[in-house]
Amino acid sequence: DGGITQSPKYLFRKEGQNVTLSCEQNLNHDAMYWYRQDPGQGLRLIYYSQIVNDFQKGDIAEGYSVSREKKESFPLTVTSAQKNPTAFYLCASSAGDSAGNTIYFGEGSWLTVV
Amino acid sequence: ELKVEQNPLFLSMQEGKNYTIYCNYSTTSDRLYWYRQDPGKSLESLFVLLSNGAVKQEGRLMASLDTKARLSTLHITAAVHDLSATYFCAVLFFGNEKLTFGTGTRLTIIP
Repeated sequence: DGGITQSPKYLFRKEGQNVTLSCEQNLNHDAMYWYRQDPGQGLRLIYYSQIVNDFQKGDIAEGYSVSREKKESFPLTVTSAQKNPTAFYLCASSAGDSAGNTIYFGEGSWLTVV
Repeated sequence: ELKVEQNPLFLSMQEGKNYTIYCNYSTTSDRLYWYRQDPGKSLESLFVLLSNGAVKQEGRLMASLDTKARLSTLHITAAVHDLSATYFCAVLFFGNEKLTFGTGTRLTIIP
């Protein structure tokens, strides 16, 4: 089945550690996105990538890093510089510039700092 | 500045009633999306609206877009309990591939 797979679904991080959240899609989509959602809040854009080997900062990129070495993969690293990383993280993808393309979301990853 | 505002933020309504959620945005848009989110879950795509006057319907939900007013509406007809969720609009602005979300409307349908 085509779709977006995020892993792990639940992750606990000790303070000072870096963690990486995986996002893989087999939809052949060019564009991929990472969002953060805090409880009871909306979604805020962390990073996005419109093509392989290129990505741009979103609204809250500080303390995060990404790579886009393969079309199907867009991992997000939450670094120790991110002071309040506990949140729900959502990865999304779309076919890119063509009008009408739906943006699909993965199931999300819950990150908790302990 | 790219802004997307939804109202109301919270909405409780009785089953069988009609209501509308509003989504205003700050500048020219390329596309407008509506999503549904159940508690603890990811987002489910409902509608993609592309042009002025676009109207789409699925079951008891109908979305419309007025690009001149920079306004989209999500209308709920004869609400049922299964529609209880948080609804988000999101806007893709011209020349900018950042999808910007509204604050969300938490809808509770009361039997």
